[in-house]
Amino acid sequence: RKEVEQDPGPFNVPEGATVAFNCTYSNSASQSFFWYRQDCRKEPKLLMSVYSSGNEDGRFTAQLNRASQYISLLIRDSKLSDSATYLCVVNMNSNDYKLSFGAGTTVTVRA
Amino acid sequence: DTGVSQDPRHKITKRGQNVTFRCDPISEHNRLYWYRQTLGQGPEFLTYFQNEAQLEKSRLLSDRFSAERPKGSFSTLEIQRTEQGDSAMYLCASSLDNEQFFGPGTRLTVL
Repeated sequence: RKEVEQDPGPFNVPEGATVAFNCTYSNSASQSFFWYRQDCRKEPKLLMSVYSSGNEDGRFTAQLNRASQYISLLIRDSKLSDSATYLCVVNMNSNDYKLSFGAGTTVTVRA
Repeated sequence: DTGVSQDPRHKITKRGQNVTFRCDPISEHNRLYWYRQTLGQGPEFLTYFQNEAQLEKSRLLSDRFSAERPKGSFSTLEIQRTEQGDSAMYLCASSLDNEQFFGPGTRLTVL
């Protein structure tokens, strides 16, 4: 079983729509959780960290469910510029900050 | 530009040749990571340095791969006797704490 699993999508949504997707992780002892964004042929960039209490950054909301070992990302009022691959990322051990990445969920926002 | 830089950005080589990539992290970052990413997958951890010490190596890193960070600043990743399966994007990241900043990557093509 992969350490981090995501629905690859693609999610094709119109501008202004809300899109949400999850990922699951296998290690219940995982310490830190993130969503990274990766544009085509570019490097990953941190979108947001995910906290146990859930957190929001503008149109983006992230939730963590430790009991079920899943993380979610919700994008409200989608913009064309939100088209990207969203990588679910887990740090299994706070001592080394080594990251385990999911394969990514592709989102395409159409006009 | 004070971000993570990688050189070269692209490398095409013939099977059996040796290649070396360089990563220059953000200057005050003490941790440096190497990842490998293939099409349709998320980055996979290869190895990690804290200052000049290499603290962990993935099982993905065969004995043909070696990484160094001699003065705790830049790092090199060498692949000896390249194979077609080594074709991938090699990403370097650096961090001071939880957030990792990625370089643009070196895309390796082994013919």
